[in-house]
Amino acid sequence: EADIYQTPRYLVIGTGKKITLECSQTMGHDKMYWYQQDPGMELHLIHYSYGVNSTEKGDLSSESTVSRIRTEHFPLTLESARPSHTSQYLCASSYLQQETQYFGPGTRLLVL
Amino acid sequence: QKEVEQDPGPLSVPEGAIVSLNCTYSNSAFQYFMWYRQYSRKGPELLMYTYSSGNKEDGRFTAQVDKSSKYISLFIRDSQPSDSATYLCAMRASGGSYIPTFGRGTSLIVHP
Repeated sequence: EADIYQTPRYLVIGTGKKITLECSQTMGHDKMYWYQQDPGMELHLIHYSYGVNSTEKGDLSSESTVSRIRTEHFPLTLESARPSHTSQYLCASSYLQQETQYFGPGTRLLVL
Repeated sequence: QKEVEQDPGPLSVPEGAIVSLNCTYSNSAFQYFMWYRQYSRKGPELLMYTYSSGNKEDGRFTAQVDKSSKYISLFIRDSQPSDSATYLCAMRASGGSYIPTFGRGTSLIVHP
């Protein structure tokens, strides 16, 4: 089982609130990723990081931001949540030059 | 046209059946092919990994790649109810960011 953790697992929040989704891994992986997954749809890459102080935007236009101050920690922040942000958010990590990703259990977000 | 196409299903089969799950792709540069399994309310986990064309077997699972047809398959022999999950294919080209492109997943239901 992969050592990658996400909190909270479930979150219900009102429109306009600021939220931070936490992701931590203990595998020493350099790369970390955030994906958005809706039922029956592809994983959409939102952000990724090659290592400390490195962050890149993914394919999906997003109003979220990320930071990578420590290797093991890659939080995702929504400054002002909207109902369109309702989705499942998956965090993953991998070694620098490997495509095999290890996923966390996900955070299910509902914005009312 | 999406780079990776995967029928979302659901695919419902009786226990013990042979299951065939498939993906087609359009990018002839894809060289690395993966299958992930995702149980309900969990993150995806890597099931099979293959490079270029050919077959790879692991227990009841066989991954097959046909690059000439841009078609990959995952076969599950003697399917069990515990195989009920969503199966996502993923693939990438050589070099680059090492970030794979995912299919939307096929939901498989194995009923006793």
